[in-house]
Amino acid sequence: AQTVTQSQPEMSVQEAETVTLSCTYDTSENNYYLFWYKQPPSRQMILVIRQEAYKQQNATENRFSVNFQKAAKSFSLKISDSQLGDTAMYFCAFIYNQGGKLIFGQGTELSVKP
Amino acid sequence: DAMVIQNPRYQVTQFGKPVTLSCSQTLNHNVMYWYQQKSSQAPKLLFHYYDKDFNNEADTPDNFQSRRPNTSFCFLDIRSPGLGDAAMYLCATSRDGGYGYTFGSGTRLTVV
Repeated sequence: AQTVTQSQPEMSVQEAETVTLSCTYDTSENNYYLFWYKQPPSRQMILVIRQEAYKQQNATENRFSVNFQKAAKSFSLKISDSQLGDTAMYFCAFIYNQGGKLIFGQGTELSVKP
Repeated sequence: DAMVIQNPRYQVTQFGKPVTLSCSQTLNHNVMYWYQQKSSQAPKLLFHYYDKDFNNEADTPDNFQSRRPNTSFCFLDIRSPGLGDAAMYLCATSRDGGYGYTFGSGTRLTVV
């Protein structure tokens, strides 16, 4: 069975600093997709970044980047130059086939402090 | 903009009184999902439609049902809401799971 684990229930960072959120997963599949979703207090889930397992290059979206270590089954999210608007719950998620279900980690609640 | 729209944003219902939540999408995605999310928890998948094919999660209570009359709309029916069903209900769509899901803003259900 596929599982996703986020070991940091809460984190905080000072505005303009860099923070890294951890995620590990377990699967026997070779081709799959990994995601980080952001859920602000308004509660709409927003896709932050996506990684295809067959691509070795780490995905980057502006201030957001990932460190994808396939052998270690690790998928961490780095947020650079943290902004107050980055305060949210962050979910790591995994899917391995089209039409399959997205498997979420438990979430990390990030607070960006002024 | 193409999007996923959930109505209403907030719903209050009485204990045991049937309630329906709605979701519509303009993305023309073939897969639609319903999630239940309780405070500070990860979303829990209730069921999903792959085109017209309904897929129920094994642990989804019989109290929860869904309808998808066409590609654009999907409904969540709770036949007899209990206090434990108070939660945020999220609708999501996908064309190809590998591109991730697009979520609606959610409906916060309160049971009184």
